[in-house]
Amino acid sequence: QVQLKETGPGLVQPTQTLSITCTVSGFSLATYYMQWVRQTPGKGLEWVGFIRSGGSTEYNSEFKSRPSINRDTSKNQVFLKMNSLKTEDTGVYYCARTNGYWYFDLWGPGTMVTVSS
Amino acid sequence: DVQMTQSPSNLAASPGESVSINCKASKSINKYLAWYQQKPGKANKLLIYSGSTLQSGTPSRFSGSGSGTDFTLTIRNLEPEDFGLYYCQQHNEYPLTFGSGTKLEIK
Repeated sequence: QVQLKETGPGLVQPTQTLSITCTVSGFSLATYYMQWVRQTPGKGLEWVGFIRSGGSTEYNSEFKSRPSINRDTSKNQVFLKMNSLKTEDTGVYYCARTNGYWYFDLWGPGTMVTVSS
Repeated sequence: DVQMTQSPSNLAASPGESVSINCKASKSINKYLAWYQQKPGKANKLLIYSGSTLQSGTPSRFSGSGSGTDFTLTIRNLEPEDFGLYYCQQHNEYPLTFGSGTKLEIK
């Protein structure tokens, strides 16, 4: 079955680093770009960044070098790390898939992240 | 960055009616606009891409139109399962950007 599933910590303290795992099933990470999108009360849906099928990455400059995306193709997993978290980073974080046309044809259900002390 | 302005923010309609949701880009995005449906507890669902191309599985009562800066999602003969949140997204250039959403409620 083709699907994505995010797993995250739920609660993160301000200034700490967020780590989220996206587990992929039913397709190969070598075929698609894998994206991270978040949805916050303040800014709505925002594109965070992606990892290409070849493994290189691109990020939204709005996040000022805070995110980092990696993957483990042997485990069919993609990872998002974001450092220096602030309360306004509270929201739902999604992994999603794009093909060559940059629309998201498959989403995970999302994982809620709360940044609070 | 391309700013996406979506309207209306809220929309109430009855089953069987037709509704339209608009999305305006701050500059031309050619035909490259996608529409998504969001429901609680479910993964976001791609409905339409490239302005008017229905994703596999999207019912034919959904249609998309527009090019350049102005786009419309039309839902004809509303079904109960159509109520929820709808978002547009430009897929012409990075950074990819989204509209602020339209909440479609049952009247």
